[in-house]
Amino acid sequence: GAGVSQSPSNKVTEKGKDVELRCDPISGHTALYWYRQSLGQGLEFLIYFQGNSAPDKSGLPSDRFSAERTGGSVSTLTIQRTQQEDSAVYLCASSLDGGSSYEQYFGPGTRLTVT
Amino acid sequence: GQSLEQPSEVTAVEGAIVQINCTYQTSGFYGLSWYQQHDGGAPTFLSYNGLDGLEETGRFSSFLSRSDSYGYLLLQELQMKDSASYFCAVRDAGRRALTFGSGTRLQVQP
Repeated sequence: GAGVSQSPSNKVTEKGKDVELRCDPISGHTALYWYRQSLGQGLEFLIYFQGNSAPDKSGLPSDRFSAERTGGSVSTLTIQRTQQEDSAVYLCASSLDGGSSYEQYFGPGTRLTVT
Repeated sequence: GQSLEQPSEVTAVEGAIVQINCTYQTSGFYGLSWYQQHDGGAPTFLSYNGLDGLEETGRFSSFLSRSDSYGYLLLQELQMKDSASYFCAVRDAGRRALTFGSGTRLQVQP
């Protein structure tokens, strides 16, 4: 079956602009996660969605970051007024449910470059 | 909060065995996962230890000791394609998402 897909694969934007990153999880997976990864670093948790429950936003670094998940499927991560320090690869993952979070399936990521 | 420590880099030769260690500090520990990431690629799940002991999947094995807050990933019969970064990750009681270590870059040499 299809894996996790993300779009765009690359995004170059000017400082101060808003960007939207999209994630389409594996069909049937109720849990969805966003992470970001700076070059040569580990993954930094951003936000977690599980079904219709309130999302866990504890990893969002500032109020410029927000995310939504419509219809329990596709998710959009929005970064407002982008800064150079936002440059990173943004990875989306899904798992069957929250209890299976130990086994996550990752998309290819969106490489964001803020100039 | 959580913290994980793993070596930043390991080098080994084809056919050898390599062990990548991971120590963690977390509250309400649930289990330890391992992920592989090739350069430019997405992380892929390798193994999970929810209980103490050894889990084996082909050439890869993973071990957990809860009492020592320690685990390792063992790669046997190394192949060039095993050159990648390996991340340990924990889930604790406070959060469903995983907390990842900073990764160990494995270089397999001919």
